[in-house]
Amino acid sequence: QQQVKQSPQSLIVQKGGISIINCAYENTAFDYFPWYQQFPGKGPALLIAIRPDVSEKKEGRFTISFNKSAKQFSLHIMDSQPGDSATYFCAASRFNDYKLSFGAGTTVTVRA
Amino acid sequence: DSGVTQTPKHLITATGQRVTLRCSPRSGDLSVYWYQQSLDQGLQFLIQYYNGEERAKGNILERFSAQQFPDLHSELNLSSLELGDSALYFCASSVDGWSTDTQYFGPGTRLTVL
Repeated sequence: QQQVKQSPQSLIVQKGGISIINCAYENTAFDYFPWYQQFPGKGPALLIAIRPDVSEKKEGRFTISFNKSAKQFSLHIMDSQPGDSATYFCAASRFNDYKLSFGAGTTVTVRA
Repeated sequence: DSGVTQTPKHLITATGQRVTLRCSPRSGDLSVYWYQQSLDQGLQFLIQYYNGEERAKGNILERFSAQQFPDLHSELNLSSLELGDSALYFCASSVDGWSTDTQYFGPGTRLTVL
């Protein structure tokens, strides 16, 4: 079964708007939460990652918000640009584990 | 360019056949991962190797097998192919193989089973 549930499946946002993608997990042992970005025809690439000792991490226009008690984390893309149009995957893993559990992905389309 | 190479880029074959997908990791990376990406299943982890040894197994079918060679390249073998095996197959590599390592993905092999 999917250990990380991601929503929405797709979203459309106007240029300059905010894109928000949400992920939820059940395994309280998870302590590493990366986001991968995948452009059409390419493999995924690490975008940003967070550990549960912080509630927020920002890199440029991309911010991860983490809510440990709710077992949820989200990706916010501020001032969305057409070049941000891609599929975004959240993932999670446990300390000292080897593999990541990926969400199902969210396709973001930014309209100019 | 991630530094991970995969061949072939596209593969078209028939049901019941066997194919081999090849992956060369980034220079210096010891771990290789294989993923299957289909429209209805998202990105599914198949298997991971570290320095030639199997390290973790995901939802890999018994018809599928993989190995990592002494030069660290890896091959994914898919046999008795079914229509449902049509998908994008990604290889990724990382330095040490821990889940917190950044995984660098190759461009993928698109497999079409007719």
